[in-house]
Amino acid sequence: GAVVSQHPSWVICKSGTSVKIECRSLDFQATTMFWYRQFPKQSLMLMATSNEGSKATYEQGVEKDKFLINHASLTLSTLTVTSAHPEDSSFYICSARYLAGAGTGELFFGEGSRLTVL
Amino acid sequence: AQSVTQLGSHVSVSEGALVLLRCNYSSSVPPYLFWYVQYPNQGLQLLLKYTSAATLVKGINGFEAEFKKSETSFHLTKPSAHMSDAAEYFCAVSSPYSSASKIIFGSGTRLSIRP
Repeated sequence: GAVVSQHPSWVICKSGTSVKIECRSLDFQATTMFWYRQFPKQSLMLMATSNEGSKATYEQGVEKDKFLINHASLTLSTLTVTSAHPEDSSFYICSARYLAGAGTGELFFGEGSRLTVL
Repeated sequence: AQSVTQLGSHVSVSEGALVLLRCNYSSSVPPYLFWYVQYPNQGLQLLLKYTSAATLVKGINGFEAEFKKSETSFHLTKPSAHMSDAAEYFCAVSSPYSSASKIIFGSGTRLSIRP
């Protein structure tokens, strides 16, 4: 089946630093990737839709200058949390739409990246 | 606009008992519906999906769900719970009319299994 990999799985950083999270579709091409944020014991909140070769579309209330998304190729999207603060600590999950499965709407999810900002 | 409502943030059943996780959807167009499972500190795994074919959908690990348009429901069931079923379950909805359509998730239901 389609595999999506995120890296790193865990990251701890100091307040004020920037952190980059990678999302790769390993065995398929993904024109569209989605970035979600999940707080403890809560559902997934869609942050932005990442389209290959174009600017990401951010959901209302998500700071695009804070959460930089780049989708430079059909297999890689990156999320950079700039000048991270403790309130940015969260579980970030990416997902990718299988190109051939666009009609079914099915997404494949990465393993998630847990960010802790000290 | 589309949305899903999961009734019950926490469900606890005994091992071997029936599992029933409730999901109701709201959609102005015929929806695609999904159930995902999430184990601690992991991403989401698709259990099953409804894409306008058979209304009774069978998924992995013995789970199934039935699409009922009259009730706008898509409840998830499993005849006999196993300890390994303990996890967070999310119902989700999307539209079949756009290849870039977002998937909207419910608030999740945590399933606990009692020995």
